[in-house]
Amino acid sequence: DGGITQSPKYLFRKEGQNVTLSCEQNLNHDAMYWYRQDPGQGLRLIYYSQIVNDFQKGDIAEGYSVSREKKESFPLTVTSAQKNPTAFYLCASSIVGSGIGELFFGEGSRLTVL
Amino acid sequence: GQNIDQPTEMTATEGAIVQINCTYQTSGFNGLFWYQQHAGEAPTFLSYNVLDGLEEKGRFSSFLSRSKGYSYLLLKELQMKDSASYLCAVRAYSGNTPLVFGKGTRLSVIA
Repeated sequence: DGGITQSPKYLFRKEGQNVTLSCEQNLNHDAMYWYRQDPGQGLRLIYYSQIVNDFQKGDIAEGYSVSREKKESFPLTVTSAQKNPTAFYLCASSIVGSGIGELFFGEGSRLTVL
Repeated sequence: GQNIDQPTEMTATEGAIVQINCTYQTSGFNGLFWYQQHAGEAPTFLSYNVLDGLEEKGRFSSFLSRSKGYSYLLLKELQMKDSASYLCAVRAYSGNTPLVFGKGTRLSVIA
């Protein structure tokens, strides 16, 4: 079955630690995205990538980093510079160049900073 | 800037019809999407509008008026499983630019 896999589903981190969230897709989609969701805030864009080895900052990129070395993978690192990292993180992907380009989402990773 | 507004919460009765409104003010427009999200789960795609008018898909319909910057999602024959958040999102630019999301409307369906 094609889809997007995020791991881990739940993650606890101490303040001052970096943590990397994994996102893998086998949908052969060119574009991938990271959104953050907080209660009452909706989804906010962190980073996105439309092609391998290229990515763009979203609205709330500070304190985060990404890489896109392979088409299938778009890991997100939450660094210690992120002041309020406790949130639900959603990875998504979409086709480029055909169709309506709807986003397909992974199941999410819930990060809690202790 | 981009601004998308939706009501925060709504309650409706099982078997009834509910309309969830969305207004948007964006720098451009290249399509409006509706997603459903159950608590703690991933959003799933419901509908897409890029031209004015109504799109119907089973119990769900979505309407768009580009001149008014307005859309609604209509849910008919409500079921308990329709209790979820409904997210309105706009693609402001052409190509596969990211979607801008509203804060979502939490719908509770009661017996």
